[in-house]
Amino acid sequence: EAQVTQNPRYLITVTGKKLTVTCSQNMNHEYMSWYRQDPGLGLRQIYYSMNVEVTDKGDVPEGYKVSRKEKRNFPLILESPSPNQTSLYFCASSLRQGPQGAGYTFGSGTRLTVV
Amino acid sequence: GQNIDQPTEMTATEGAIVQINCTYQTSGFNGLFWYQQHAGEAPTFLSYNVLDGLEEKGRFSSFLSRSKGYSYLLLKELQMKDSASYLCAVRDRTGGGNKLTFGTGTQLKVEL
Repeated sequence: EAQVTQNPRYLITVTGKKLTVTCSQNMNHEYMSWYRQDPGLGLRQIYYSMNVEVTDKGDVPEGYKVSRKEKRNFPLILESPSPNQTSLYFCASSLRQGPQGAGYTFGSGTRLTVV
Repeated sequence: GQNIDQPTEMTATEGAIVQINCTYQTSGFNGLFWYQQHAGEAPTFLSYNVLDGLEEKGRFSSFLSRSKGYSYLLLKELQMKDSASYLCAVRDRTGGGNKLTFGTGTQLKVEL
């Protein structure tokens, strides 16, 4: 089954404790992206990657890191989480070329709480 | 930058038709998407428009006017399961040419 897999689904952590949210897709998509979703603000892009070893900042990159060492994986790293990073996070992937209507396929989401 | 506006909430009756509007301002327009999102779940793809006109897909249709920066999603024969948030998203040529910028969503409530 074609899918984007995120882990964990839920995470409660303490301020300053480094964490990684994993994202993996099995569709051979070149483009991957991380979004956070907050009430009243909608989905905002954190980072994106156009292919292996090619990453760039989105609209709200502060406090986050990413890497793209393999095509299928795009982990999101919070080196020193703070309470304002409490949010619902989504990983998404798509073809970079090809059917223009492909859009994004989203993972199931990770609900992160930083206390 | 981009600006995407859609109503915050709408209420409609089961079996009826509802139209959710979306206006946008962007440079380098490269397509408009509608997604459905149930609470706490991932957005799922509904429709895509890149040229002016109407795209129909079963009970769902989407319209685009690029000159007016306007789109709408039309839902017919509403069912209770259509209660969800509907997200308008615009793709432009920044961010590698594949960045989607989302509106804040329209929360649709379908009542008996």
